[in-house]
Amino acid sequence: GESVGLHLPTLSVQEGDNSIINCAYSNSASDYFIWYKQESGKGPQFIIDIRSNMDKRQGQRVTVLLNKTVKHLSLQIAATQPGDSAVYFCAEREGGSEKLVFGKGTKLTVNP
Amino acid sequence: EPEVTQTPSHQVTQMGQEVILRCVPISNHLYFYWYRQILGQKVEFLVSFYNNEISEKSEIFDDQFSVERPDGSNFTLKIRSTKLEDSAMYFCASSRDSTTSAYEQYFGPGTRLTVT
Repeated sequence: GESVGLHLPTLSVQEGDNSIINCAYSNSASDYFIWYKQESGKGPQFIIDIRSNMDKRQGQRVTVLLNKTVKHLSLQIAATQPGDSAVYFCAEREGGSEKLVFGKGTKLTVNP
Repeated sequence: EPEVTQTPSHQVTQMGQEVILRCVPISNHLYFYWYRQILGQKVEFLVSFYNNEISEKSEIFDDQFSVERPDGSNFTLKIRSTKLEDSAMYFCASSRDSTTSAYEQYFGPGTRLTVT
């Protein structure tokens, strides 16, 4: 069945370091992937997305990499800042569906 | 920057009571969604809504749930007879389109529903 999971539930980094958050998915029919950031008490906030016809997409300080061969997705955050501390979710969408299937989340803590 | 808004932020209700959760999606968006997140768990899809009808729903969205767009701006989720296990954070989301370049779903801040 379809599922999205995360390798690490928590990640702690020093301010200024680069962060890498990983995600595994199992649905080979998924054609669209999104990373969301969720701060305490708030809704998921869109960070970056990538379609299955791409391997890499860059935004401001963030990069998403997609490896369809091993069904792996990662989010790289450059020069991590204290404001990046949050729970990060990956989500996938199967082609033809409108629903997003979320992973469990990785809690990122940035130490000053 | 336009955003999805939800009211109330916290709703406490007794088991068996009906609740209505309200959302105002982003104004030029055409697709609307409800998700829920039980404490400490994943965000789960409930339902999507387009052109005044349900376009997709999950197995969670049973007969106790209904959605409505009563006017041009509000989108509501009704739970007819709440159960303890309905306690969760409920998120509304909207997107301009469901295809190609306008798919991003923007989420509201959520309504925390507590069923006692």
